[in-house]
Amino acid sequence: EPEVTQTPSHQVTQMGQEVILRCVPISNHLYFYWYRQILGQKVEFLVSFYNNEISEKSEIFDDQFSVERPDGSNFTLKIRSTKLEDSAMYFCASSGIGSGANVLTFGAGSRLTVL
Amino acid sequence: RKEVEQDPGPFNVPEGATVAFNCTYSNSASQSFFWYRQDCRKEPKLLMSVYSSGNEDGRFTAQLNRASQYISLLIRDSKLSDSATYLCVVNWGAGANNLFFGTGTRLTVIP
Repeated sequence: EPEVTQTPSHQVTQMGQEVILRCVPISNHLYFYWYRQILGQKVEFLVSFYNNEISEKSEIFDDQFSVERPDGSNFTLKIRSTKLEDSAMYFCASSGIGSGANVLTFGAGSRLTVL
Repeated sequence: RKEVEQDPGPFNVPEGATVAFNCTYSNSASQSFFWYRQDCRKEPKLLMSVYSSGNEDGRFTAQLNRASQYISLLIRDSKLSDSATYLCVVNWGAGANNLFFGTGTRLTVIP
């Protein structure tokens, strides 16, 4: 079964450092997403990406966040200057087109710990 | 305000029991509805989409009431492997692929 892969599985960083989380979406999917889940809280939408640009973003996705699709396979989330409250599990997801556009497949997540 | 509300539980039920979860959503423009399950410290996984006419997948039945903005999930003959958090998920408006998640309802099936 096709899957979304994420690296690293866990990253520990110091406050103020830059972090890049990487994702390889399912190969024939066209929509890509980042979500986050703070421990014990709900899954929250950050950003969606289609046709090499951001299609929607939430209020969480401020100037400290950016996304990029640097090549044909990777989709990255960058946090420029991490804060303590950025500690969370970050899930990448992708979806297809047509009736499959709303059916998201999630990766296993990257756990970010900011000290 | 965009809200998807669920009873957080926990629901502790014996094996073989029937259990129902409810969810309400605030945005009447929502077009797509889903139940996902999430195991502890794992990613959400699609359990089933929810259609206007209601739909069933084995022991799982989902219902949608657009007028009341209400979604339900019924699990019959609970198995130990059903223990998880069940997430009510709604897209936000026509053409919006981004999903909004409820806080989830935790289910524990007891032997």
